[in-house]
Amino acid sequence: NAGVTQTPKFRILKIGQSMTLQCTQDMNHNYMYWYRQDPGMGLKLIYYSVGAGITDKGEVPNGYNVSRSTTEDFPLRLELAAPSQTSVYFCASRDRASEKLFFGSGTQLSVL
Amino acid sequence: GNSVTQMEGPVTLSEEAFLTINCTYTATGYPSLFWYVQYPGEGLQLLLKATKADDKGSNKGFEATYRKETTSFHLEKGSVQVSDSAVYFCALSETTNAGKSTFGDGTTLTVKP
Repeated sequence: NAGVTQTPKFRILKIGQSMTLQCTQDMNHNYMYWYRQDPGMGLKLIYYSVGAGITDKGEVPNGYNVSRSTTEDFPLRLELAAPSQTSVYFCASRDRASEKLFFGSGTQLSVL
Repeated sequence: GNSVTQMEGPVTLSEEAFLTINCTYTATGYPSLFWYVQYPGEGLQLLLKATKADDKGSNKGFEATYRKETTSFHLEKGSVQVSDSAVYFCALSETTNAGKSTFGDGTTLTVKP
């Protein structure tokens, strides 16, 4: 009964480093999303995907990239980390029938 | 574009008090409306939803009614418990356009014994 699994839970990066946040879901959902949550703020959509091989930009895509080679996996790539990318990142998938979003437990990223 | 506005927090209540968290929205078309709850260190979980005007969503003693005329979806609970302490997010979801969701900024609720 895994749902949406994100790794890692915590990470500290130096400015200019790169990393990939992993996200996997086992519910066979076509729709998946990456959000960032800044302190005291709501969630901002970074990228989303409506199925394998199809991705598109959300509100705040700059500095990020995604891929969707399978239905299960939706990794988020940071190429050149900047302090402005310090945030908590959430991956989510959506059940099309119920419109319910299922969230991972989040990745807390600090860029120093 | 779409937007969701929640009452500013934080909100602090005593156990068994009545809770209201206001939420209003702006949207084109006919969105579905949601309340999500986030406990410390966790991702958001769906609390309740409503998909059309005058629908009432309810779960765990929480309720919210989809009011199209006032573009509102206020969250209420008659008697809060310490375990209800969390951050509450109002959200809307487009039924088309990949089901993208727009979230409010969240309201932190603390319930004291």
